[in-house]
Amino acid sequence: AQSVAQPEDQVNVAEGNPLTVKCTYSVSGNPYLFWYVQYPNRGLQFLLKYITGDNLVKGSYGFEAEFNKSQTSFHLKKPSALVSDSALYFCAVRDRGKSWGKLQFGAGTQVVVTP
Amino acid sequence: EAGVTQSPTHLIKTRGQQATLRCSPISGHTSVYWYQQALGLGLQFLLWYDEGEERNRGNFPPRFSGRQFPNYSSELNVNALELEDSALYLCASSPAVAAAEAFFGQGTRLTVV
Repeated sequence: AQSVAQPEDQVNVAEGNPLTVKCTYSVSGNPYLFWYVQYPNRGLQFLLKYITGDNLVKGSYGFEAEFNKSQTSFHLKKPSALVSDSALYFCAVRDRGKSWGKLQFGAGTQVVVTP
Repeated sequence: EAGVTQSPTHLIKTRGQQATLRCSPISGHTSVYWYQQALGLGLQFLLWYDEGEERNRGNFPPRFSGRQFPNYSSELNVNALELEDSALYLCASSPAVAAAEAFFGQGTRLTVV
């Protein structure tokens, strides 16, 4: 069975500092990995995905994520955080088998960026 | 291009009633997914539809059901509502390709009183 862990409920960072949101996964075979962001009372917005190839994936709004197969991790990063990055971030995994439609989400990490 | 649209935005029902939630996917997307986001419980996978068929189902009781229509829009029905069903219900759509990201609607806030 596939699963996703986001070990931090909340990450606090000062504006202009680097932001990292951690994600580890468990899935048989090679996964597809995704990051989404959710603003209050809104749906989820897609940020980026890892399918194959280069371990460093670049996405929307200056975010990037690094896929590490040996550590089964897919951490989200931004070199310089903005106050507007304050939101709830979700990591998600999907396997490549028959049940590929089941996108499994982590519990979410609340990011708070202070001015 | 229009995104995923869900209706209604808010829904208030009494315990024991039935609720029907609707979702229109992005044009060209054949897969539709439903998720429940209850306070403190994260995003729980409910259902996956593709080409009118139910492809996968999460760990929810049978009173949660749905369908997908020939135009790929979808309905989620929740029977015999319980207070614990109060949540934000999110619909998403994608092409029927595992590598494709899903795009989410704004959700329907269901409140059971």
